[in-house]
Amino acid sequence: GAVVSQHPSWVICKSGTSVKIECRSLDFQATTMFWYRQFPKQSLMLMATSNEGSKATYEQGVEKDKFLINHASLTLSTLTVTSAHPEDSSFYICSASGTGAYGYTFGSGTRLTVV
Amino acid sequence: QQQVKQSPQSLIVQKGGISIINCAYENTAFDYFPWYQQFPGKGPALLIAIRPDVSEKKEGRFTISFNKSAKQFSLHIMDSQPGDSATYFCAASRGSGAGSYQLTFGKGTKLSVIP
Repeated sequence: GAVVSQHPSWVICKSGTSVKIECRSLDFQATTMFWYRQFPKQSLMLMATSNEGSKATYEQGVEKDKFLINHASLTLSTLTVTSAHPEDSSFYICSASGTGAYGYTFGSGTRLTVV
Repeated sequence: QQQVKQSPQSLIVQKGGISIINCAYENTAFDYFPWYQQFPGKGPALLIAIRPDVSEKKEGRFTISFNKSAKQFSLHIMDSQPGDSATYFCAASRGSGAGSYQLTFGKGTKLSVIP
């Protein structure tokens, strides 16, 4: 089946630094990538949607200058949290859809802790 | 406006029992209804999905029942096992991943299967 590899699985960074999270589709072409944020005991909150080669579309209330999304190829999308602050600490999950896969395939998530 | 309502919020079932989780949707354009299983610290994993042209789909111990007229669908877990203890999310979308349509998630149900 379709696989999305997400790295790192966890990261701790200092306040003010930037962190990059990668999602790679291993066996299909991810024409669309979705990035979610999940708080403890809550559902997934969509942050943005990106189509390969295009600028991401951000959900209302999500700062596009803080959460930079790049989807330059059909197998790789990245989310960069810039100038991270403790309130950015959360669980970030990517999901991909596209050619060669049915439905939506989720990554394993990244636990970000900003200290 | 929450477009997919999920209940119950939490569920405790004895080993061997039947777990039932219900969801209701509002958007009649939805045509793909997946259920995801999520363990702590992991991304959601597709459990089973249904399209509106069938009323029931069974895969092993997991069954989706779908009522198009009532705009409701449910997940039944037969012979529930302690290993099924996880959080379950229902979701809905248009196009099952095609066309960049996003998934709309329910709020989740935490299932605990006790020995």
